[in-house]
Amino acid sequence: EDQVTQSPEALRLQEGESSSLNCSYTVSGLRGLFWYRQDPGKGPEFLFTLYSAGEEKEKERLKATLTKKESFLHITAPKPEDSATYLCAVVRGGATNKLIFGTGTLLAVQP
Amino acid sequence: DTGVSQNPRHKITKRGQNVTFRCDPISEHNRLYWYRQTLGQGPEFLTYFQNEAQLEKSRLLSDRFSAERPKGSFSTLEIQRTEQGDSAMYLCASSSRDRGIIEQYFGPGTRLTVT
Repeated sequence: EDQVTQSPEALRLQEGESSSLNCSYTVSGLRGLFWYRQDPGKGPEFLFTLYSAGEEKEKERLKATLTKKESFLHITAPKPEDSATYLCAVVRGGATNKLIFGTGTLLAVQP
Repeated sequence: DTGVSQNPRHKITKRGQNVTFRCDPISEHNRLYWYRQTLGQGPEFLTYFQNEAQLEKSRLLSDRFSAERPKGSFSTLEIQRTEQGDSAMYLCASSSRDRGIIEQYFGPGTRLTVT
């Protein structure tokens, strides 16, 4: 069965303290792995798509990487405005287009 | 604003009533998706349209749920005889076939509370 597991469930950082979020996945024929950011009471905001192992994408203080079993979202020198829930999702091989989400990591960055 | 829009943003209803939500996708996107999200969980897939055709439905979509996209533009999701367990955030997303697999862009969601 397809599964996406994110860790940790919650992470508290001091401003400027770099860290990484993990997304491990079990899926038949990965077609794509996606990272989203979600603020309370809002819809997920698209961040990155990764398609193959070894691929990396960067945006401001965020960098996403992908291996054959997991993805990491690295946050460099975070700021309080980076506080949010970060969601990982995959699309499996075949005709489906549905996203299979993990439960997310709740990140709090304190000034 | 050219993003995905959803209406209403909030809906409070009594158990047993019917509710309908609307989603307007990004104008050039021909794929539209519905998801449901409960507190502390990631979104769960409900159904998917390509143009007006409903191509995929989750087992979560019981016979009380129906979704339509009559002209391949906006979509509606109706829940009949609502139950307290239907309380959740209902999210709509859209994507463009022309760009491949594609990332899906989400709307702000409709928060449903069943009392």
